[in-house]
Amino acid sequence: QVQLVESGGGFVKPGGSLRLSCVASGFTFNDYYMSWIRQAPGKGLEWISYISGSGGTIYYADSVKGRFTISRDNAKNSVFLQMNSLRAEDTAVYYCARRGNYYYSSDSWGQGTLVTVSS
Amino acid sequence: DIQMTQSPSSLSASVGDRVTITCRASQSVTNFLNWYQQRPGKAPKCLIYAASSLQSGVPSRFSGSGSGTDFALTISSLQPGDFATYYCQQSYSIPHTFGQGTRLDI
Repeated sequence: QVQLVESGGGFVKPGGSLRLSCVASGFTFNDYYMSWIRQAPGKGLEWISYISGSGGTIYYADSVKGRFTISRDNAKNSVFLQMNSLRAEDTAVYYCARRGNYYYSSDSWGQGTLVTVSS
Repeated sequence: DIQMTQSPSSLSASVGDRVTITCRASQSVTNFLNWYQQRPGKAPKCLIYAASSLQSGVPSRFSGSGSGTDFALTISSLQPGDFATYYCQQSYSIPHTFGQGTRLDI
């Protein structure tokens, strides 16, 4: 079965950096776009980034463009989110999700990793 | 960006009730509309994709309808595990925006 496991969350000061990882199993990893979606405490869901199966196509939400970088290593079935210049408003649970190939739903999710940005 | 608006924001119901949650897009998303369920402290789970297609393993009491700008998620007979927050999401144009959520309480 599809499994996604995130890691790398933690506590960081404003302006700092953090790198999130997500390891996938149970499917042919390079056949799928992967995404990061976040949820601030007590708030709704916010899509932030996609990366294609080859890594050649990438999209970002305006709220993170220029600060966050998504990447993947298909040999290790892993997707990453490098987060720089972090702000208090980036505090959230970050989910890794697989994007379905038809109609682009997020059809499988990891358990999430919490990022807290505070001085 | 396409704005997604859900109503109601919260809803109280009982086991066995039939409930409907609606989602409106600020412009047409054709049928690129998905529904998710999130139980407290858990990751979201996809229930419906393409407006009306049931994700594998999701009980048939969940159904979706609509196209263009107006959509609905219906739960035909509420079960205890259905008390959760529900989100719609458009996947027609990037950014793939979510609605603000509908909290379904007992």
